Amino acid sequence: GAVVSQHPSRVICKSGTSVKIECRSLDFQATTMFWYRQFPKQSLMLMATSNEGSKATYEQGVEKDKFLINHASLTLSTLTVTSAHPEDSSFYICSANHPRQSSSNQPQHFGDGTRLSIL
Amino acid sequence: GENVEQHPSTLSVQEGDSAVIKCTYSDSASNYFPWYKQELGKGPQLIIDIRSNVGEKKDQRIAVTLNKTAKHFSLHITETQPEDSAVYFCAGTSGYALNFGKGTSLLVTP
Repeated sequence: GAVVSQHPSRVICKSGTSVKIECRSLDFQATTMFWYRQFPKQSLMLMATSNEGSKATYEQGVEKDKFLINHASLTLSTLTVTSAHPEDSSFYICSANHPRQSSSNQPQHFGDGTRLSIL
Repeated sequence: GENVEQHPSTLSVQEGDSAVIKCTYSDSASNYFPWYKQELGKGPQLIIDIRSNVGEKKDQRIAVTLNKTAKHFSLHITETQPEDSAVYFCAGTSGYALNFGKGTSLLVTP
C-alpha cells in the first residue's frame, strides 16, 4: 500500500492565487522529504529538500520565496506555490525515505503527485 | 553533480518478450540505484533497487544488473505483460537526493 500520501491530487486556480500541497508519510517518520516538479513527458526535477525543524534546501534556479516549504512535523511537509502563474502549471510530486535500514540509501517512496493548472 | 543517462527513450515489445533498459552514471561515488515505474497521472513507484556492493538483484520477472567499473546499470523485464506498459526511470545517488534519468516509455503490445 501507499507509504506517502499527497493532497490534493489536482488543483485548478486563477493566476495570482497561492496553492498549498501537503505531503504525508504514512506509518513512519520522515525527517527528510523531497519535492519534485515534472513537466509533460519529462523526468523528475528536484526542487528542494525539506528538513523537519529546519529550513529547506533549494536546488539552483528554484525561487525559495515562490515555493515555500514547511516541514513542521515528522510526518508532514507542505509546499506552497505563492502567487502562481501559468508557467507554474506542472505535476508536483513529493517523496520520503522509508526507513528500511540505518543507511542514507533508504528507499525513496513517492506520493501520487498534484496536477497544478493555473489559468 | 551526478549525471544519469538512460536509453532508449521509447521501447516497444511484444507480450512475452524481454525488455532491457540501460543507464549510465558519471559520479563514481554513487552507491544506490533504484528503478521506478510511473503510470500516467501517478507518482513513480519503486520496483527494484540495487546497492553498489551487489552486481545483480532479481525479483520475479524483474532484475537489475550493475557494473561499477563501467558505471552502468540495467533493468531487465522478462515475460512482459501489457500491464508493464509505463514510463520507467532509473536513478542514482550517493546520499539522499536522487538524480533521475530521462525515462523510457515502454509499450507492451498483446
